[in-house]
Amino acid sequence: EPEVTQTPSHQVTQMGQEVILRCVPISNHLYFYWYRQILGQKVEFLVSFYNNEISEKSEIFDDQFSVERPDGSNFTLKIRSTKLEDSAMYFCASRTGTGGSEAFFGQGTRLTVV
Amino acid sequence: GNSVTQMEGPVTLSEEAFLTINCTYTATGYPSLFWYVQYPGEGLQLLLKATKADDKGSNKGFEATYRKETTSFHLEKGSVQVSDSAVYFCALSDRFPSGYSTLTFGKGTMLLVSP
Repeated sequence: EPEVTQTPSHQVTQMGQEVILRCVPISNHLYFYWYRQILGQKVEFLVSFYNNEISEKSEIFDDQFSVERPDGSNFTLKIRSTKLEDSAMYFCASRTGTGGSEAFFGQGTRLTVV
Repeated sequence: GNSVTQMEGPVTLSEEAFLTINCTYTATGYPSLFWYVQYPGEGLQLLLKATKADDKGSNKGFEATYRKETTSFHLEKGSVQVSDSAVYFCALSDRFPSGYSTLTFGKGTMLLVSP
């Protein structure tokens, strides 16, 4: 069964360092997303990506964040200068279309900023 | 803006008990509603969905009915199993004027089922 895969499963980084979280969406999907979940809090939308550009982003997704689809398979989230409050579980998701179509999620990357 | 409110957890039940997890929502348009489940160590999986008022989503013995009049989408199961222990997330998908849509999640409710 096709699935969304994320690497690494856990990343520890020092404050101020850059991190890149990687995702391989399902191959025929067109819409890609990043969400995050700070421990004990809601799953929050960060950004959506379609046709090689950002389609929507939340207030959380400031200039420290960027996304890229460098080739036909990977979808990455970069945090330029990590802060302690960036520590969270980051989920990648993809789906075929808009509206009620199902989003498939990866297992998540737990980012710990120390 | 859109929001989803779920009952606080953890919900602790014995095997074969009846489960209800409450979910209410606020949305500006006509959202689709979802329940996602996260088993320990795994990602979010879609459990069921409903795309319009009065629709009932069902899967693996779980059910939820889209109630527009009460803006609710409560999750129910008649007889839970130990293997149902997980975190359950209620979510809605609404369409932006741009045509794109995204998911708004509740905080999640942990369910613990004991033998």
